[in-house]
Amino acid sequence: KAGVTQTPRYLIKTRGQQVTLSCSPISGHRSVSWYQQTPGQGLQFLFEYFSETQRNKGNFPGRFSGRQFSNSRSEMNVSTLELGDSALYLCASSLVASAYNEQFFGPGTRLTVL
Amino acid sequence: QKEVEQDPGPLSVPEGAIVSLNCTYSNSAFQYFMWYRQYSRKGPELLMYTYSSGNKEDGRFTAQVDKSSKYISLFIRDSQPSDSATYLCAMTYSNNDMRFGAGTRLTVKP
Repeated sequence: KAGVTQTPRYLIKTRGQQVTLSCSPISGHRSVSWYQQTPGQGLQFLFEYFSETQRNKGNFPGRFSGRQFSNSRSEMNVSTLELGDSALYLCASSLVASAYNEQFFGPGTRLTVL
Repeated sequence: QKEVEQDPGPLSVPEGAIVSLNCTYSNSAFQYFMWYRQYSRKGPELLMYTYSSGNKEDGRFTAQVDKSSKYISLFIRDSQPSDSATYLCAMTYSNNDMRFGAGTRLTVKP
């Protein structure tokens, strides 16, 4: 069974630009969560999608948004990029979104903002 | 104060040593406790998962949760160089919104 895939793996952008990252969950998984990982703040929860609906949202500004498609694939978008948005963005999928379900992480997209 | 505190290390031990990794937390509502291992340039992978208080053993790994002290531990017996990675504790109460520790970087020297 293929794991979680994320594209692109590396991205370089400049301040003020916007970026879209993509995540394909494990086949059959319907929940997709996004995390930001930085050396200073560690792993922080961005949001979770289930059946094309955002179920939970972390404490991030509105510049961070996401969506999920009917095939469970998900995208996240960051508008008006800032230097502090440089991070590893991780996507994780799980079967469902009730209580606790094991989340499987992708390799991440490393975003550098210059 | 962070919701989950974890000593970032780094921690360096000789091969065969017993490794002890710890996290403390402040939110008593947490019910699910996980340990993830993350190799360089990879996403985290789940090592151990525990619900509520107690111990759980899986091969060379033992996870302990003490909810009364808000303290969780991961023990690695007979550590191997292949165990060299960053270990992240994580916890949640009712959904997939996990709160992570900062991660402890472990090096096991041959």
